[in-house]
Amino acid sequence: QVQQQQWGAGLLKPSETLSLTCDVYEGSFSDYYWTWIRQPPGKGLEWIGEVNHSGSTKYNTSLKSRVTILLDMSKNQVSLKLTSVTAADTAVYYCARGTYCSGTRCYGIKWFDPWGQGTLVTVSS
Amino acid sequence: QSVLTQPPSVSGAPGQRVTISCTGSSSNIGSGYDVHWYQQLPGTAPKLLMFGNTNRPSGVPDRFSGSKSGTSVSLAITGLQAEDEADYYCQSYDSSLDAWVFGGGTQLTVL
Repeated sequence: QVQQQQWGAGLLKPSETLSLTCDVYEGSFSDYYWTWIRQPPGKGLEWIGEVNHSGSTKYNTSLKSRVTILLDMSKNQVSLKLTSVTAADTAVYYCARGTYCSGTRCYGIKWFDPWGQGTLVTVSS
Repeated sequence: QSVLTQPPSVSGAPGQRVTISCTGSSSNIGSGYDVHWYQQLPGTAPKLLMFGNTNRPSGVPDRFSGSKSGTSVSLAITGLQAEDEADYYCQSYDSSLDAWVFGGGTQLTVL
């Protein structure tokens, strides 16, 4: 399956804004939730937030005040902005496509597939 | 501290069977929410391994299987191979957090 392609700045100073972009494609936009997930070095996965085809967003409450996820259907891109970064935001950031359905069968909880290749963002003074 | 609890590590010899558990609570797995599994090979992005507790995406070998009982789910890998050495994560939804949540991950070592 094709991997989402993503890009953005990899080195930031504290208080700067993290900005990443991901190409989205394959299938109807209305079927999917475009999602960002991060993974601090050596640690587990954390869901950041998502946007659907109508532009509705949902964010992790721990990051909500600093996060913006936008979908630009004209460019087939989804973007992530995280303001006022600190060293705690150092992580590999992944974009991923969320869906509830496989073929004609749908489930109650969405899963994420495929994922982007990941972008390491390091916050350091 | 992850909402979903996984053992930090498991190991097995080639050809053996290993299981990885994922335990939650009444606000996630115990509420009947489905669980999905991901495999993360070293230095790569996670890849969907199992969805809806027991379903394998196309291309995933049938050596991988999932089960669910109450507030706990398990991933079983039979006929262990060296290429299975990876980190494995479970994922579900938590109604108290209103968020998609992951387990802390389990590192599988093939001896």
